[in-house]
Amino acid sequence: DTEVTQTPKHLVMGMTNKKSLKCEQHMGHRAMYWYKQKAKKPPELMFVYSYEKLSINESVPSRFSPECPNSSLLNLHLHALQPEDSALYLCASSKGQVTSGANVLTFGAGSRLTVL
Amino acid sequence: AQSVTQLGSHVSVSEGALVLLRCNYSSSVPPYLFWYVQYPNQGLQLLLKYTTGATLVKGINGFEAEFKKSETSFHLTKPSAHMSDAAEYFCAVSSYMFSGGYNKLIFGAGTRLAVHP
Repeated sequence: DTEVTQTPKHLVMGMTNKKSLKCEQHMGHRAMYWYKQKAKKPPELMFVYSYEKLSINESVPSRFSPECPNSSLLNLHLHALQPEDSALYLCASSKGQVTSGANVLTFGAGSRLTVL
Repeated sequence: AQSVTQLGSHVSVSEGALVLLRCNYSSSVPPYLFWYVQYPNQGLQLLLKYTTGATLVKGINGFEAEFKKSETSFHLTKPSAHMSDAAEYFCAVSSYMFSGGYNKLIFGAGTRLAVHP
């Protein structure tokens, strides 16, 4: 299995809703990432988990809450979002256990989020 | 600090023509360089990567890139464009963050490739 699977593909939510994005990989990767991508822009790093522990939070607002229940799963919990949070959310994973810049990040297909 | 510059936010070619997408990098250490492609409403897919060794790197879908240290460039080429090549292309430089146990990817701004009949 060489894929990163993200669900749902599309999500529409109101500003008072609570929802979650899910990401799963079975490649034995120990680093997992959340990126946010606005239209016509490159992905922006939000969070990184390494060995199920949060390594990086790129000053993301607290209305985004990541969770890594085990080495294969990564969630992003959403609460009280704003319309400007509408974007494509990408999950990725890599061999965090291999200390090389050559490690490839494998991306999922993304979850398209619309906040009304 | 590392950085990537992609020259040309939009490139338009005819079907069958040469594709050339430009990428220049800045790095104080030997770089690890990547090209990713993103089709509409999809995630990023790895096209190819340069680590060490051979400077001409072949990737998927007929793409290749040449690492030129003297020019700090890693341009992406394809001899003959196909309609299905229309997509967004991102060049990136990677480094391993020992303190965090992950890879940091620095992306260029992207180049949108249009292919017309």
